[in-house]
Amino acid sequence: EVQLVQSGAEVKKPGESLKISCKGSGYSFTSYWIGWVRQMPGKGLEWMGIIYPGDSDTRYSPSFQGQVTISADKSISTAYLQWSSLKASDTAMYYCARMPLDTYYMDVWGKGTTVTVSS
Amino acid sequence: EIVMTQSPATLSVSPGERATLSCRASQSVSSNLAWYQQKPGQAPRLLIYGASTRATGIPARFSGSGSGTEFTLTISSLQSEDFAVYYCQQYNNWPPSWTFGQGTKVEIK
Repeated sequence: EVQLVQSGAEVKKPGESLKISCKGSGYSFTSYWIGWVRQMPGKGLEWMGIIYPGDSDTRYSPSFQGQVTISADKSISTAYLQWSSLKASDTAMYYCARMPLDTYYMDVWGKGTTVTVSS
Repeated sequence: EIVMTQSPATLSVSPGERATLSCRASQSVSSNLAWYQQKPGQAPRLLIYGASTRATGIPARFSGSGSGTEFTLTISSLQSEDFAVYYCQQYNNWPPSWTFGQGTKVEIK
C-alpha cells in the first residue's frame, strides 16, 4: 500500500524551531516529487513547495520562499519541512503529498501534521 | 500568480441530485487542473487530474470537464458520502507557482 506517514502534532512557542517529517512507503520514493500544503484553521489549501528526493531539487511558492525549508533524505524515504523561528501565524495543518515526476497533481496525501504556535 | 476562482462558495443539494461546481483560472492552464475532495478532519483526496481523468478508485459519478480557463466538476447523483469541500488546483507552470481555488462546500439541502 502506498502511504505517506507524517510525524505527530507539535505545540511550540514563538521563536522556536521545528522540523516535521513525511515518510513514504509502498513505492519508489525517488520516482515522485513530494509537495507540502498548508491549511490554516478553517481555511483553504495553500501550496508551499516541492522537492524531488532523487537530487533534492527544491522549489518554493513565492509566498513561502525564505519562510520555510524543505529537505529530504532519500536513504530513509523521508521528506521534511522546517522552520527556524516559528510565529503564531504558522499555526496550521501541514500536509505532504506525492506528485508524479512529469505532471504535478497530488495523488497520495499524508494525514497531516498539526502545528500549534502559542506563547 | 494564476488566481483560481471557484463558484459557488456553498452549494446546497439534496441526495440523489446533480451537483455542478465551477473553477475559473485567471489565465489559461491548459488541462493542468486537478480536483480534490476534503471531508472534515481528513486530508484532501484526489478526484480528477488532467481536467477530466478520474483518479484510481474514484466512482464514475464524478466527472471533470473543461480546458484553458473554465472547468467544471460534476457529481451526477450525490451520495451522503459526497458532502464535503471541493478544491480545484492548477499545476500548469514551471517553475512552479501552483494555486488552489478557495473551495466549494457541498452541503445537504
